[in-house]
Amino acid sequence: GQQLNQSPQSMFIQEGEDVSMNCTSSSIFNTWLWYKQDPGEGPVLLIALYKAGELTSNGRLTAQFGITRKDSFLNISASIPSDVGIYFCAGPSGSNYKLTFGKGTLLTVNP
Amino acid sequence: NAGVTQTPKFRVLKTGQSMTLLCAQDMNHEYMYWYRQDPGMGLRLIHYSVGEGTTAKGEVPDGYNVSRLKKQNFLLGLESAAPSQTSVYFCASSSLADTQYFGPGTRLTVL
Repeated sequence: GQQLNQSPQSMFIQEGEDVSMNCTSSSIFNTWLWYKQDPGEGPVLLIALYKAGELTSNGRLTAQFGITRKDSFLNISASIPSDVGIYFCAGPSGSNYKLTFGKGTLLTVNP
Repeated sequence: NAGVTQTPKFRVLKTGQSMTLLCAQDMNHEYMYWYRQDPGMGLRLIHYSVGEGTTAKGEVPDGYNVSRLKKQNFLLGLESAAPSQTSVYFCASSSLADTQYFGPGTRLTVL
């Protein structure tokens, strides 16, 4: 089946720093999704991307749909302590109602 | 709207015991999903449903059964719990794959 590779697996940064993480696939995706999971909670959708090359922002978060359709990037600017959590990329898996998730990037922000 | 709710939030079982996890959604979504989350493994799909009365196997279905007797409810059953089923279980629902809404999770420990 399709697999999504996220990197880095974890990040430890200082408050105020910018963050970049990415997600790659061996196959083409027509949609890229980015979810965030706060500690002890379920994942919440942050950004959805539908078109190759698309750049979409949600506050301090910006995500890009790679031109090759095999990758996506998420950037967080001026990190704050509440950015702590696990960030997952996801994409449709063989149908329009199932998703494949990456293994996540664990972000820790030091105040 | 409560969104997606899960019952119970925590549970400890002994090996061989059975239990049912309940998921309820009030968004009139057609699709519902059960995932398990283990450290370093991301979210793995156990079973899913594309509508009332239907169920299908996901990536890791062994040892679990599901039922969708009502559109708003999706039940996950463990007939004979094993320590390998210690995990955090998330339910999700959607009308489209890119808008999966997750519940808060159930933390299950099997001794």
